[in-house]
Amino acid sequence: GQQVMQIPQYQHVQEGEDFTTYCNSSTTLSNIQWYKQRPGGHPVFLIQLVKSGEVKKQKRLTFQFGEAKKNSSLHITATQTTDVGTYFCAGGGGATNKLIFGTGTLLAVQP
Amino acid sequence: EAQVTQNPRYLITVTGKKLTVTCSQNMNHEYMSWYRQDPGLGLRQIYYSMNVEVTDKGDVPEGYKVSRKEKRNFPLILESPSPNQTSLYFCASRSTHYNEQFFGPGTRLTVL
Repeated sequence: GQQVMQIPQYQHVQEGEDFTTYCNSSTTLSNIQWYKQRPGGHPVFLIQLVKSGEVKKQKRLTFQFGEAKKNSSLHITATQTTDVGTYFCAGGGGATNKLIFGTGTLLAVQP
Repeated sequence: EAQVTQNPRYLITVTGKKLTVTCSQNMNHEYMSWYRQDPGLGLRQIYYSMNVEVTDKGDVPEGYKVSRKEKRNFPLILESPSPNQTSLYFCASRSTHYNEQFFGPGTRLTVL
């Protein structure tokens, strides 16, 4: 079945350093979504990418969808303590647009 | 306020004692799902529903039941809970026109 792998599982950075998490699907995706889950919280939608090669920015966050629509990345520039949490990618596709979630990357930011 | 609510938020129970976790959304969303979250495994879909009276299995449906009698409610039923169902459960909903999923606050279930 379709699988979505996400690396790394865990990343610890100093405040101000950059951070990137990568997402890879075993199949071509119709779209990819990114969610953030703060410690003790629930996943919150960040963004959706649909087009091949698409790049979107939200302040210090840059999201990219690969040309083959099988991989994606989230890059955070100059991390802040408010960026702490687990970042999930979720690949969508098929008639029901079922989402397959990646395993998530836990980001820790040391002040 | 647009939201997804779940009850209870925390539950400790014993093996074999039937339980129901309720989920309700006030956004008139057609699509609703249940996920379980376990360390290192991410979010795995248990069941989903594309509309009233339409439900289907997700990736890990064994040991669970759902029903969708009303558009706003999507309860998760564990007929005979077992310890391997100890997990953090999330309900989510979305419109069929927009893919953004809204998650409930989560239910932490412990089965002894």
